[in-house]
Amino acid sequence: EAQVTQNPRYLITVTGKKLTVTCSQNMNHEYMSWYRQDPGLGLRQIYYSMNVEVTDKGDVPEGYKVSRKEKRNFPLILESPSPNQTSLYFCASRSAPGGTNEKLFFGSGTQLSVL
Amino acid sequence: QKEVEQNSGPLSVPEGAIASLNCTYSDRVSQSFFWYRQYSGKSPELIMSIYSNGDKEDGRFTAQLNKASQYVSLLIRDSQPSDSATYLCAVNRGKLIFGQGTELSVKP
Repeated sequence: EAQVTQNPRYLITVTGKKLTVTCSQNMNHEYMSWYRQDPGLGLRQIYYSMNVEVTDKGDVPEGYKVSRKEKRNFPLILESPSPNQTSLYFCASRSAPGGTNEKLFFGSGTQLSVL
Repeated sequence: QKEVEQNSGPLSVPEGAIASLNCTYSDRVSQSFFWYRQYSGKSPELIMSIYSNGDKEDGRFTAQLNKASQYVSLLIRDSQPSDSATYLCAVNRGKLIFGQGTELSVKP
């Protein structure tokens, strides 16, 4: 089954404790992206990757890191989480932009609470 | 001005009515437009894409695009309680820019 797998589904942590949210896709997609969703603000892009070893900042990259060592995986790293990073996070992937199939496939989301 | 703007709602319609969701965008060079549906606690899913001016129909859903006026809309005919969700408009400008979403409630 084509899917984007994101873990964990829920995470509660404390300020300053490093954490990683994993994301993996099995569709051989070149493009992967991380979003955060906050009430009234919609989906905002954190980082994206056009292919292996190619990453770039989105609209709200501060406080986040990513890596793309393999095509299927795109982890999101919070080196020192703060309460303002409490949010619902989504990983997404699609085939290379510019093609006719621009559908984004989303993971099931990670609800993060930073105390 | 936000790049993609939607009425935040909530929009409430009775079952069987037509629900009309609107979205405006600021960048004239945008070429492709999408509507995603998101049920509470779930991830967004693509329901419609539109690339050319005019209407595109898919079952009970119709997407309308007017590039001159920079708006895109989604009509849901014969609305059902199962259509109750948040609808996200997205515009492709090399990357997808999402609106804040419109919450739709269909009352039985």
